Amino acid sequence: DAKTTQPTSMDCAEGRAANLPCNHSTISGNEYVYWYRQIHSQGPQYIIHGLKNNETNEMASLIITEDRKSSTLILPHATLRDTAVYYCIVRVATRSARQLTFGSGTQLTVLP
Amino acid sequence: SQTIHQWPATLVQPVGSPLSLECTVEGTSNPNLYWYRQAAGRGLQLLFYSVGIGQISSEVPQNLSASRPQDRQFILSSKKLLLSDSGFYLCAWGGRSYEQYFGPGTRLTVT
Repeated sequence: DAKTTQPTSMDCAEGRAANLPCNHSTISGNEYVYWYRQIHSQGPQYIIHGLKNNETNEMASLIITEDRKSSTLILPHATLRDTAVYYCIVRVATRSARQLTFGSGTQLTVLP
Repeated sequence: SQTIHQWPATLVQPVGSPLSLECTVEGTSNPNLYWYRQAAGRGLQLLFYSVGIGQISSEVPQNLSASRPQDRQFILSSKKLLLSDSGFYLCAWGGRSYEQYFGPGTRLTVT
């Protein structure tokens, strides 16, 4: 899996958009970008993934740069419940990719 | 929609006692299933992986075993717990793009 770099922590005001960056300059052509989060004392939660096109679902949007070397997860209207550690992972989407390995992630704190 | 259940939510067991944790998935068929352990402040450690009924791959040699008696049921067991078995046990199922959906977890304390 390609290495990813994320800021250690970020703050965001409640109701505002939270933009979480991730650098993955060594990404290979067949690797996807996945985002997960883990709220304190809970299990990880899948958020979104993409290959090269921007993606949106009910939770978030994922913007991947044209060269695929970085991406941004956008939570459009952050709430206090979005306070969590957010993990950006780059990996192939094949059956052989079993172990999910999180880096240090970004601690997002949504402030009232 | 798909749902994943785990129970119990918390468990305190003495050293040497047996363990059985159950995970069930609803709303999907023939899912890839995973058991992970997360120690306090640590990352995820994949313990077992299953692609179908009776098919279990062990990722880490240890005091634990897993079984998949039904398509959407995954069980983690131990005959004799060790102190080092304490942790947060998570079951997950794999989506079509190999994203993983996690259950609520079982927090096990071995005393």
